[in-house]
Amino acid sequence: DAKTTQPPSMDCAEGRAANLPCNHSTISGNEYVYWYRQIHSQGPQYIIHGLKNNETNEMASLIITEDRKSSTLILPHATLRDTAVYYCIVRPRSQGGSEKLVFGKGTKLTVNP
Amino acid sequence: AAGVIQSPRHLIKEKRETATLKCYPIPRHDTVYWYQQGPGQDPQFLISFYEKMQSDKGSIPDRFSAQQFSDYHSELNMSSLELGDSALYFCASSHGLATYSYNEQFFGPGTRLTVL
Repeated sequence: DAKTTQPPSMDCAEGRAANLPCNHSTISGNEYVYWYRQIHSQGPQYIIHGLKNNETNEMASLIITEDRKSSTLILPHATLRDTAVYYCIVRPRSQGGSEKLVFGKGTKLTVNP
Repeated sequence: AAGVIQSPRHLIKEKRETATLKCYPIPRHDTVYWYQQGPGQDPQFLISFYEKMQSDKGSIPDRFSAQQFSDYHSELNMSSLELGDSALYFCASSHGLATYSYNEQFFGPGTRLTVL
């Protein structure tokens, strides 16, 4: 079962920041927070991941609370092409092909013109 | 950059028929994952392979089998197809070693299977 809780849907105006919350209160010390998104019926796309520090890449920023029980994905300037289902996933970073992704319900983000 | 290739992209089968889905991972990726996404549902993990050995198994029906070949491509074989098998099937690939910088999974475009 997924270990995360996300709001089912959110709206955002084009050009504004989209802040997507995720609750993962049962996360353990060796588990990372990963974010993927799925644009309508396409393959899920990796966005970003983190352990305990805030992370930023060309797509987004990830803010993880100090107790690691929740996080926020930030899309700084949302565009219409960011409309997608966003999945927050926690999993250990191990090796040997055992890093399956357990998808929860995700948040359907709609970016409006 | 090369991406994960899946074939065919669309497949229509009758009940009780068999189907074979193929996945070609990104070059130098040694790990392959299969996911199933039913209509209106979220992707569900089926099975994974690392260095040609099964590494993890999820909710994959006994009617399904899969393998990874010496060139690292993978095939998902589905027999005695049922209406409920109609879904998008995604393959993803990654480096199996966690020492690689991101270890994230790269997904293919999926195969849409329709069982009539």
